[in-house]
Amino acid sequence: QPGLTQPPSVSKDLRQTATLTCTGNSNNVGNQGAAWLQQHQGHPPKLLSDRNNNRPSGISEKFSASRSGNTASLTITGLQPEDEADYYCSAWDSSLNVWVFGGGTKLTVL
Amino acid sequence: QVQLVQSGAEVKKPGASVKVSCKASGFSFTNYYMHWVRQAPGQGLEWMGMINPAGDRTTYAQEFQGRVTMTKDTSTSTLYMELSSLRSDDTAFYYCAREAGGLDYWGQGTLVTVSS
Repeated sequence: QPGLTQPPSVSKDLRQTATLTCTGNSNNVGNQGAAWLQQHQGHPPKLLSDRNNNRPSGISEKFSASRSGNTASLTITGLQPEDEADYYCSAWDSSLNVWVFGGGTKLTVL
Repeated sequence: QVQLVQSGAEVKKPGASVKVSCKASGFSFTNYYMHWVRQAPGQGLEWMGMINPAGDRTTYAQEFQGRVTMTKDTSTSTLYMELSSLRSDDTAFYYCAREAGGLDYWGQGTLVTVSS
């Protein structure tokens, strides 16, 4: 299945800032934007940012999303132990007419 | 509040079919695309397909074409996903999700185990 590219793992120190990346192409991230999901072990994913980089109600301002060309980014500031989770990007591919996911990034807070 | 409540865990033999339900509440069911996503143990998210707000058009991932059927009962606000010809590698959590700029609400997941 076609997908988006994310680094498998990122490690950062407590209270530091992490920036996670997601690379697609002009048919998905580049013209449709990417949404970001957080998933803690044993729980369903939770939307952190929609395709227009807007946070849903109740999502902390410490999570912010952006896009440059075909690469989307999620920045998480003031890292806390509870931010340790898997993070997935997702986008609609307008050429293939499918929803695509990244492989996920496991964020470790040291 | 928006809720998606899925049916319980299933154990199936190879070659069988499974039908998972997802009951929606707290929003207008006929206004949203609804998706199914699965996640094998320890693996990432895999998109299976979606159904349009009216429930009369579906789009499936190529990997599931011919094996999956997604339907929607607007009278009961319930979504269904049936997967046939099950194999051991279909063992996974199956999630329904609502689309609104992203997949913004998810069901709790249904574990389907395929084992002889």
